Amino acid sequence: DAGVIQSPRHEVTEMGQEVTLRCKLISGHNSLFWYRQTMMRGLELLIYFNNNVPIDDSGMPEDRFSAKMPNASFSTLKIQPSEPRDSAVYFCASSLGLAGVYEQYFGPGTRLTVT
Amino acid sequence: AQSVTQPDIHITVSEGASLELRCNYSYGATPYLFWYVQSPGQGLQLLLKYFSGDTLVQGIKGFEAEFKRSQSSFNLRKPSVHWSDAAEYFCAVGASGSSGDKLTFGTGTRLAVRP
Repeated sequence: DAGVIQSPRHEVTEMGQEVTLRCKLISGHNSLFWYRQTMMRGLELLIYFNNNVPIDDSGMPEDRFSAKMPNASFSTLKIQPSEPRDSAVYFCASSLGLAGVYEQYFGPGTRLTVT
Repeated sequence: AQSVTQPDIHITVSEGASLELRCNYSYGATPYLFWYVQSPGQGLQLLLKYFSGDTLVQGIKGFEAEFKRSQSSFNLRKPSVHWSDAAEYFCAVGASGSSGDKLTFGTGTRLAVRP
């Protein structure tokens, strides 16, 4: 299995631009998680989907962030407009079921730099 | 709501020495407990997990952890550390059912290994 696939691996953009991060789940997994990791704030859960339905989006910072699952195997995280404080490593993870029960498989991450 | 405390931010050990990383949790019921490892530039990877049964859990890469309900702890151990174990280690507690569905990560412990 290829594991969780994220693209791009690195993104550098200017403040105000739209950024779209992409994630492909492991085949057969039905839960999807987006995390953000920074030195200052550590690892933060942004949003959690189960069977394509958002279960917990309490970690989404503000309206500039949006996440979708157009199908069972793919997700996007969009930031519009981007700001320098959005610079971080964004991880996508997938699992076979409930967030609190099943192992989460993490992708390699997207390093976002907003200048 | 559940919470996880990893009291040690940084730990340095010599190669070949034993290792113990501390993890304390707060949760009203029997928790699901996990240890993940993050090598530099990579996503998190599961080392081991505890759901029920034997309180001493064996994981990958020679790691083990012991669940102690009386101390609300789930410490990670390794008898002899290798240089390749240098990484960041995250303890996590999971909840499900009426308690909600959530995985809460600790703030991590960064391990350095002296040659």
